[in-house]
Amino acid sequence: EVQLVESGGGLVQPGRSLRLSCAASGFTFDDYAMHWVRQAPGKGLEWVSGISWNSGSIGYADSVKGRFTISRDNAKNSLYLQMNSLRAEDTALYYCAKGRYYGSGSYIDYWGQGTLVTVSS
Amino acid sequence: DIVMTQTPLSLSVTPGQPASISCKSSQSLLHSDGKTYLYWYLQKPGQSPQLLIYEVSNRFSGVPDRFSGSGSGTDFTLKISRVEAEDVGVYYCMQSIQLFTFGPGTKVDIK
Repeated sequence: EVQLVESGGGLVQPGRSLRLSCAASGFTFDDYAMHWVRQAPGKGLEWVSGISWNSGSIGYADSVKGRFTISRDNAKNSLYLQMNSLRAEDTALYYCAKGRYYGSGSYIDYWGQGTLVTVSS
Repeated sequence: DIVMTQTPLSLSVTPGQPASISCKSSQSLLHSDGKTYLYWYLQKPGQSPQLLIYEVSNRFSGVPDRFSGSGSGTDFTLKISRVEAEDVGVYYCMQSIQLFTFGPGTKVDIK
């Protein structure tokens, strides 16, 4: 059974940093792309970032480009999101999600339960 | 950037009756490989999204056959042949021909 468990969320002041982690199990982690998708309170889904199986391809939404960095450690079956210069509009539930591959035509087939990030002074 | 729109944004359905959701993309989702990269997800209340349909019309593992997807190019439809109480939630379409973009969601509830 695919399991994705996020951690690292919390309350943070604007301009500060936070690092999210995602522990994956139930599948061969280094065979698949991984993504972060967020959902602001009461709002829809927004893709944030994705990374290929070997970290060779990485992408970001324009809204986070230059501030967020995605990475993965295949030896630890883990995905990360380093979030710097946080803004109030980054407040959301952040989902770790398993992709098929990285690139056009891929899709997300499993989602974690999410970790809540609140940016407020 | 590709923009996804959905109609209606909310839908109230009597159990056992059909339901239909439309999704339109601002650009064709037909790839040069011949596949069309349009997906449907359901987010049940208090839960994470779950994949229902991939590549327009293929049901994901475990998805009941009352769910079906159709369409081509820029116009797509998700149909539920007979709505059940467990089908309530928000339905999102998503494109992946150019990164990932989700539609605004259609909230489905039971009358």
